[in-house]
Amino acid sequence: SQTIHQWPATLVQPVGSPLSLECTVEGTSNPNLYWYRQAAGRGLQLLFYSVGIGQISSEVPQNLSASRPQDRQFILSSKKLLLSDSGFYLCAWGLTDTQYFGPGTRLTVL
Amino acid sequence: AQSVTQLDSHVSVSEGTPVLLRCNYSSSYSPSLFWYVQHPNKGLQLLLKYTSAATLVKGINGFEAEFKKSETSFHLTKPSAHMSDAAEYFCVVSGRNNDMRFGAGTRLTVKP
Repeated sequence: SQTIHQWPATLVQPVGSPLSLECTVEGTSNPNLYWYRQAAGRGLQLLFYSVGIGQISSEVPQNLSASRPQDRQFILSSKKLLLSDSGFYLCAWGLTDTQYFGPGTRLTVL
Repeated sequence: AQSVTQLDSHVSVSEGTPVLLRCNYSSSYSPSLFWYVQHPNKGLQLLLKYTSAATLVKGINGFEAEFKKSETSFHLTKPSAHMSDAAEYFCVVSGRNNDMRFGAGTRLTVKP
């Protein structure tokens, strides 16, 4: 069966510091991978998606970036965090029209 | 383009009473529709999925949803609420390119 992991589970970072969140999937090959952000009291916002290694599509221009160095690894990064980057970050994988979500990372930027 | 509207931001029920969470969708194509549940500080869990087969879809934990094309609705129901059902519920539509559009969510509170 497939499993999706995210780490860290929680993170507190100062404004201006870098960010790296990691997501890995087990039990499947060549999945579509997604990064979402969920701000407090708001719905899910799609940030990036990838259909293959090195292929990244950005949905929202911002100070975040994503990379997919391996088939089942998806990384979300920032060089300098903003206060507005605080939120709950969710990684998801899918092969067809269904997406399966990881446990999420709670990021607080102070 | 496709979109969903969850008609209630918050629903409160008593334990043992029925649950109804309402969702209307808009889609230019034959949509795939989903309901996800999110417990506090957790990821989203797939409850059920509609993909143009039976219009009444049964999911996990006793939930079901009915696809009504004439009403462009996909409401989520459960005959008897349990305390563990308290969570945020998201209605989602998936379009031609498998891009998912999420509703704003409905927070379900279950009172003892």
